[in-house]
Amino acid sequence: DTAVSQTPKYLVTQMGNDKSIKCEQNLGHDTMYWYKQDSKKFLKIMFSYNNKELIINETVPNRFSPKSPDKAHLNLHINSLELGDSAVYFCASSQGPGGVSQETQYFGPGTRLLVL
Amino acid sequence: QQQVKQSPQSLIVQKGGISIINCAYENTAFDYFPWYQQFPGKGPALLIAIRPDVSEKKEGRFTISFNKSAKQFSLHIMDSQPGDSATYFCAASRHEKLTFGTGTRLTIIP
Repeated sequence: DTAVSQTPKYLVTQMGNDKSIKCEQNLGHDTMYWYKQDSKKFLKIMFSYNNKELIINETVPNRFSPKSPDKAHLNLHINSLELGDSAVYFCASSQGPGGVSQETQYFGPGTRLLVL
Repeated sequence: QQQVKQSPQSLIVQKGGISIINCAYENTAFDYFPWYQQFPGKGPALLIAIRPDVSEKKEGRFTISFNKSAKQFSLHIMDSQPGDSATYFCAASRHEKLTFGTGTRLTIIP
């Protein structure tokens, strides 16, 4: 009954490979996010979707492509992985209809990606 | 540039003491200021949050003090306990876009 779940928990792969991370929320929320936490623990938003529509797209290499098949799922696909992509990726969700700041964001447990 | 500056980077406090973490922001359009707590190997979890029309908010041992004119806000943890040892992130939000501070690693020693 995990609220926000991510798979896989760990991902070790070679440079140049393509990989996907899946996220699912069972909170009935309308908005989902992807964050990247680097080795210094700095957290930065990458993308946000509201009801399957992209609403935030930070300056992220176009090798990263989010996909939302429905409002409960937001997957992250990464092409041509680079060493600098090694980080922890967090999925999050919030109830907001979009444009409402004061909504709690609930984070998943994270996916630890290591690119060799 | 770092829109939300957080200090200190690390903090050691004795059990029962007061832990204080400070943040400063630049963008006056931010309208929501949450604090998140993160334990090793886990995702961040909301601890407490404040709107800019309020100067203080208290929830149990946790208090946010907010100074709108100075564009600063701080987290106070009273009677700090070993279980409070974690990394704390301040954040500022506008239109659901959270901008995080750089984090403070808090260690509570017996």
